[in-house]
Amino acid sequence: SQQGEEDPQALSIQEGENATMNCSYKTSINNLQWYRQNSGRGLVHLILIRSNEREKHSGRLRVTLDTSKKSSSLLITASRAADTASYFCAATKNDKIIFGKGTRLHILP
Amino acid sequence: DSGVTQTPKHLITATGQRVTLRCSPRSGDLSVYWYQQSLDQGLQFLIQYYNGEERAKGNILERFSAQQFPDLHSELNLSSLELGDSALYFCASNGEMDLEQYFGPGTRLTVT
Repeated sequence: SQQGEEDPQALSIQEGENATMNCSYKTSINNLQWYRQNSGRGLVHLILIRSNEREKHSGRLRVTLDTSKKSSSLLITASRAADTASYFCAATKNDKIIFGKGTRLHILP
Repeated sequence: DSGVTQTPKHLITATGQRVTLRCSPRSGDLSVYWYQQSLDQGLQFLIQYYNGEERAKGNILERFSAQQFPDLHSELNLSSLELGDSALYFCASNGEMDLEQYFGPGTRLTVT
């Protein structure tokens, strides 16, 4: 079964608003990563948070990790049209990485 | 551009056939990962190779096999193809000290 499950499955927001996506996983992890995928293209790594970290920032991205709840969230602030894509969390344990099914984010003009 | 290349870009073939997908990792990366992405199953990890040796196995069918060659490029072989094998196949690579993976552009396989 999937290690990572994103929520919501799809999200549409107005440009300029913040977008929040959540990810839950089932077992202990070494780290959790977020990737972006533009339609039909390869995934691009966005940010990684280790299991001993609680929050991490990178530009307009903010990731939190709650290991007690086995969940993570990705916040994109001040969204832009170019942020329209699918976003995947990936939970890593030792050498295994398991991706969730993704959240499709659509930024409306 | 991630530095990972995959060929071919598109592949259309019939059920029962066999295909080979090729991946060249980023220069210097020793690890190669293969993934299958379909609409209903999402992104599924298939297999990982590290410096020519199999390191981790995911949801890879017995009809599928992979190998990594001495020059570190990798091939994914899919045989006895079924309609349900139609998907995007990605490879990714990373170096020994990297935790993030660098993805290729993918091969879109259509089985008719």
